[in-house]
Amino acid sequence: ETGVTQTPRHLVMGMTNKKSLKCEQHLGHNAMYWYKQSAKKPLELMFVYSLEERVENNSVPSRFSPECPNSSHLFLHLHTLQPEDSALYLCASSQAFTGGNEQYFGPGTRLTVT
Amino acid sequence: GENVEQHPSTLSVQEGDSAVIKCTYSDSASNYFPWYKQELGKRPQLIIDIRSNVGEKKDQRIAVTLNKTAKHFSLHITETQPEDSAVYFCAATVSGNTPLVFGKGTRLSVIA
Repeated sequence: ETGVTQTPRHLVMGMTNKKSLKCEQHLGHNAMYWYKQSAKKPLELMFVYSLEERVENNSVPSRFSPECPNSSHLFLHLHTLQPEDSALYLCASSQAFTGGNEQYFGPGTRLTVT
Repeated sequence: GENVEQHPSTLSVQEGDSAVIKCTYSDSASNYFPWYKQELGKRPQLIIDIRSNVGEKKDQRIAVTLNKTAKHFSLHITETQPEDSAVYFCAATVSGNTPLVFGKGTRLSVIA
């Protein structure tokens, strides 16, 4: 185990549902990330948090809403998603958000929007 | 911002042969270049990285080379084995300033 866990591992939701993805890191890191992985864009950065503050938001639609209550936990709240949002959502953490630090990835949540 | 191009998108080699994956980057200030490996159904993991103060780094069968003038870096895998089959991602960043920017990945298949 890399020390980054994600729940649930699989999620099927309708377009009108509201759900949340959870990520937890046990590595004492200060930065956490959400990535979207799909066939078209294999590793697409969505959000970056450093010390619980959002430092990067890569033009992500508002139907995705991140939350970082503390440096160990990261959530991605989902509402009124579209079928094209179906993808693998990966969480990662690193010692600091700046680039020269190894990122440790979680196992991902496979999301299917019906 | 930084843009990373990665080639080829797919690569098939015979077991025992070498594999080379190339990446180019756009920001001349970038100074940290990691490579991640993602096996089927698993999470990406760092396999090797290089910083701009060196031109080459080796770790057993894998090596990375960096050409700062041309703004490209490459991953070399020698004596490939079936367990090397995976998707490989390069990335670049200005260390101390920005998050990593990843390439689109190369799917490597090692044929036994």
